[in-house]
This record gives sequence, C-alpha cells and structure tokens, in this order.
Amino acid sequence: DTGVSQDPRHKITKRGQNVTFRCDPISEHNRLYWYRQTLGQGPEFLTYFQNEAQLEKSRLLSDRFSAERPKGSFSTLEIQRTEQGDSAMYLCASSHNPEGQPQHFGDGTRLSIL
Amino acid sequence: AQTVTQSQPEMSVQEAETVTLSCTYDTSENNYYLFWYKQPPSRQMILVIRQEAYKQQNATENRFSVNFQKAAKSFSLKISDSQLGDTAMYFCAFMSTSTQGGSEKLVFGKGTKLTVNP
Repeated sequence: DTGVSQDPRHKITKRGQNVTFRCDPISEHNRLYWYRQTLGQGPEFLTYFQNEAQLEKSRLLSDRFSAERPKGSFSTLEIQRTEQGDSAMYLCASSHNPEGQPQHFGDGTRLSIL
Repeated sequence: AQTVTQSQPEMSVQEAETVTLSCTYDTSENNYYLFWYKQPPSRQMILVIRQEAYKQQNATENRFSVNFQKAAKSFSLKISDSQLGDTAMYFCAFMSTSTQGGSEKLVFGKGTKLTVNP
C-alpha cells in the first residue's frame, strides 16, 4: 500500500492557462474522488469515478473542468482557461468496495493563479 | 442536501487532558456513515474514526472515541490523553449510501483547529 499519489504538489500558472493534475490511487481501489479545498474550509466534492465510469459531477465542476480515468487506474483533472477563483488545493481520494469504506487522501496539488 | 456543521472554529487543550469536538449534521436518510478526519498543517488528510449509522455502539480507536446520537444528529469526537501530535484541523464528514440514491461523496464540515499545548 503505497498510498494515494498526486502530481504535481504545487502548480503556479498565469490566469488563462490550462493545467492538468494527476492522481494515482491505491492500486486495488476502484473508487476515485476529486475534492477542492480553499483556505480555512473543508474539502468540497468535485467528481467521482467507479472504475472508469464518472458517476457524479458537482455543480462546482464548470465546463472548464474535465476529469478522466481512462483505464480505471490513474485519473487526471484538467482546468482550462484558469481563473483567480480556481486557486485552491485539489485533493484526490480513493476507496474500495463495499460502500461506506473510508476514503484515503493524497497530499493534494496546490494551484496558485497569478 | 446533507449539511455538516462544526460550531467550534478553534479549540485548545493541555497535553494529557481530554477534549471534545462537536459536529452536527442534517439528513433525511436513515442509513449513512460518519467520519472524523485529521489534517495536520501542510500534511495529508488522515482518517481518525468511522461510524456506521445503523450501529448503536459508539466507535473507538485507541485514544479517540465518538458520541453518536442519531436522533439528535450529533457526532462528537473525544480525544483522551491529548498529545502534541494531535495538533491539527479536524473535519467531520458525512457519507450517504448509494443504495438510497445518494452519492458516496464525503460532505465535510468547515473544521475545528485543535491546538495541544505543552
């Protein structure tokens, strides 16, 4: 169990640029989640995959955001045309069957928009 | 939609003392899961304890225990024999069950910043 891995740890970019984050879940975990956490707040749900299927997307996930999990293993979260309000910590978590199992979190990717 | 409320933005406790963090939630569902997570400064979110709503017995994990009051929709965390390493943000979180048509996403409170003083 090597834990949930996220890359990069930090990303600084100019407003309007596109960014992509990667998450490698724990190997036997079929469920993968993305959350966004702003300073002083709890994480907010963005999207959820079970294997390769994206089963739920939050209304927070505007059309500038897209997430994929092409082979049911790693996942990517892309933000197009970044805005100041996108500055946050992006957290990935994974869990396994059955339902109700704890989610294991990665260290997160901190995005700063200049 | 479910909501989770943590009414104590900050708390402090002396080393070796006991502290209780409060959490209330709102749901119309009968079966769900509740969690406490710990997030040390600039570090990873770590599971502290998990409670299944259909189990009346309160969960315990070493120095950590919960007081789960289903009717009152209350889920407090008690930390006994506090240690310096317990200093962190603590988040209460709610998870619906997929069988009730809910997502398995976690709904978090805003957190309580706990400081353990030497």
